[in-house]
Amino acid sequence: NAGVMQNPRHLVRRRGQEARLRCSPMKGHSHVYWYRQLPEEGLKFMVYLQKENIIDESGMPKERFSAEFPKEGPSILRIQQVVRGDSAAYFCASSPGVVTTNEKLFFGSGTQLSVL
Amino acid sequence: KQEVTQIPAALSVPEGENLVLNCSFTDSAIYNLQWFRQDPGKGLTSLLLIQSSQREQTSGRLNASLDKSSGRSTLYIAASQPGDSATYLCAGEYNFNKFYFGSGTKLNVKP
Repeated sequence: NAGVMQNPRHLVRRRGQEARLRCSPMKGHSHVYWYRQLPEEGLKFMVYLQKENIIDESGMPKERFSAEFPKEGPSILRIQQVVRGDSAAYFCASSPGVVTTNEKLFFGSGTQLSVL
Repeated sequence: KQEVTQIPAALSVPEGENLVLNCSFTDSAIYNLQWFRQDPGKGLTSLLLIQSSQREQTSGRLNASLDKSSGRSTLYIAASQPGDSATYLCAGEYNFNKFYFGSGTKLNVKP
């Protein structure tokens, strides 16, 4: 059973370009979360999605950022017209929704976005 | 607003020492509290999860406790090793499936 898969591992974009980050949750997990981690800072919640629904996007910047989790395929975090301040590690996590083992939130390895 | 705070921000100890990492949260209506480890440039690895009905969980040299009334959780690491060097994060789950993270404690265990 593969873990949470994120790609790409590293993404370099120039200012003004679009960035697309992908996340495939663990098999059987229907809850997906996106977090952002700036250098030397903690994880900041961005958005919580279930299949075809955005449950909570209170952590998403009002402009340029969007997220989706379609019925088929991975969850996508999309950043339009990137700026240097968007440079960060973006982590995806998934959850089965209930505690079935001694864990509930499972993380991917992250995508390091660098904006030149 | 739920806030999660971790103290200290950084900790350096000699190998073999027992140590305690602290996590405090402002809202006692917590469902679960989960401790993670993050190595530089890597993702988060789950260590322990304590459900709101539990007071502690143990895994090997790790023991985590939860006191909802005082809004605190501690992660106890026994006989620390250089391989334990990492950033340790705690996350409180509120409103079912919404997780709030502390800023982490960066641990350095010196050989």
